[in-house]
Amino acid sequence: EAGVAQSPRYKIIEKRQSVAFWCNPISGHATLYWYQQILGQGPKLLIQFQNNGVVDDSQLPKDRFSAERLKGVDSTLKIQPAKLEDSAVYLCASSLRLRQSSYNEQFFGPGTRLTVL
Amino acid sequence: DAKTTQPPSMDCAEGRAANLPCNHSTISGNEYVYWYRQIHSQGPQYIIHGLKNNETNEMASLIITEDRKSSTLILPHATLRDTAVYYCIVRDNTGTASKLTFGTGTRLQVTL
Repeated sequence: EAGVAQSPRYKIIEKRQSVAFWCNPISGHATLYWYQQILGQGPKLLIQFQNNGVVDDSQLPKDRFSAERLKGVDSTLKIQPAKLEDSAVYLCASSLRLRQSSYNEQFFGPGTRLTVL
Repeated sequence: DAKTTQPPSMDCAEGRAANLPCNHSTISGNEYVYWYRQIHSQGPQYIIHGLKNNETNEMASLIITEDRKSSTLILPHATLRDTAVYYCIVRDNTGTASKLTFGTGTRLQVTL
C-alpha cells in the first residue's frame, strides 16, 4: 500500500517569499491533516479536512497560511509571505474516516523541510 | 497544550526491554492513551493505544495503571531501529475531531 506522499522534501526561500507544499494522502482516506513541526518540538496541527471540508483550522495563522483540498483527495498548503519563524517541517497525515467513538490511525508522510532565510 | 509528562531522554541496550513512562494525571474518563514514535527524518508512526486495560500488539505493550494517571510503553526487545522520539498522547475518542496534541516526547537511544 502506498503511503502519504509529500513534495517537495526540502525547500529554501527568503523571507517574504511565497511557498506551497503538496500532499497526496493514502487512497480512500477521507481525513487529511497538516502539521507544523519546529525543531525540537512535537508536531502541531494546523488544519484538518474531512473530504474537502475544513473540520479544524483553529491553529492555522490565517493571515499568511492557507490550505485547500478541492476535490477531497490531494491538498496544498501555502505560506504567503513567509517569515523566519515559519522554518519547520510540514507534515501531512491522513486517516480512513472521521467518526465519533472510534479512532482511525493517522498515517504520516515524510514531511517537507522548509528553511526561511 | 499537551496533557502528558515524559522524560526527555532514555537509553536502552539492544536486546533489552525499553520501558518508557508517561504521566497523565489529569486524564478524564473518555480519554485514551496513544503512543506514536518518530524516527529521525520521518513522520510519526502509530504504535498502540488503550483506555484502561493493558494492550499488546506486534510492536509493543501498553501498561496503564489502575487509576489511569500513568502508563508505560514497553518495547520487549529493543533494536537499534527503535531509536526514535516516542510521544505519549491523551485523546478523547468521543469527539468529532481526531486531533492529536503532541508534546516533546522521550528521545530513546538504543545502543550496542
